Amino acid sequence: DQQVKQNSPSLSVQEGRISILNCDYTNSMFDYFLWYKKYPAEGPTFLISISSIKDKNEDGRFTVFLNKSAKHLSLHIVPSQPGDSAVYFCAASAGANSKLTFGKGITLSVRP
Amino acid sequence: EAQVTQNPRYLITVTGKKLTVTCSQNMNHEYMSWYRQDPGLGLRQIYYSMNVEVTDKGDVPEGYKVSRKEKRNFPLILESPSPNQTSLYFCASSTYRGGNQPQHFGDGTRLSIL
Repeated sequence: DQQVKQNSPSLSVQEGRISILNCDYTNSMFDYFLWYKKYPAEGPTFLISISSIKDKNEDGRFTVFLNKSAKHLSLHIVPSQPGDSAVYFCAASAGANSKLTFGKGITLSVRP
Repeated sequence: EAQVTQNPRYLITVTGKKLTVTCSQNMNHEYMSWYRQDPGLGLRQIYYSMNVEVTDKGDVPEGYKVSRKEKRNFPLILESPSPNQTSLYFCASSTYRGGNQPQHFGDGTRLSIL
C-alpha cells in the first residue's frame, strides 16, 4: 500500500514560471513532511520541510503548502530556473521515531 | 565537510558472489539506513540502524545483511547476490529516524548483478 503518492511522473515548465509539484498521502498519522531533490549521479538532498501544525513553509523560491483535510501537500518553485531540473521526492513520517516513507518521485524539467 | 561516503560507486558482478557496499558518515549521527531506488518504485528502505549494534529490517530486507559495529560505518552485505538486486543503492544518516530531521544521503552505488 503506497502511503505517499506522487501521481504525476513528470512536469515540464518554462523558465521563470511557477512549478507546482503535488503529493498526496493516506496515513493520517503523518505529522512531518519533507521534500528532497535529486540530480543524476548524486544522492537526494533535503530541500524543505513542514510539520502538521503549519499549513505553509517558505524558504526563498521554495514554498510548501499542506492541506491536512485533503491529505495533500504541494511544493511551489517561483520562479523556476533550469538548475531546478531534477527528480523531487516527497516524504513523510509519523513522529521522531517513525521511518521516513518516500513517494516515487517526479521529474521536473525547466525549459530555458 | 559533512558527508556520507559510499563505496564503490559502481559495481558489475555475477550471481552468487558475495559483495559489500561500505557507508561511512562523519556527522556523528546515530541513525543510518540503506535504500534502493528502482524505476517507478521510488526509494524503499532496506535496513536501518538506530545506533551501534542496533539494526532492524526496513521494507525490502530480503537478500541483504547489515552491521553497525561503529557509529560512523554501516555496511550493506549481499551474501549471494541475484539479478533482482540490480539497483541504485543509497546510504543515509540523520540525528533521528524520522520527524523533520533531514537525512543526509551518499551519492549512491549502482549495482549490476549478472
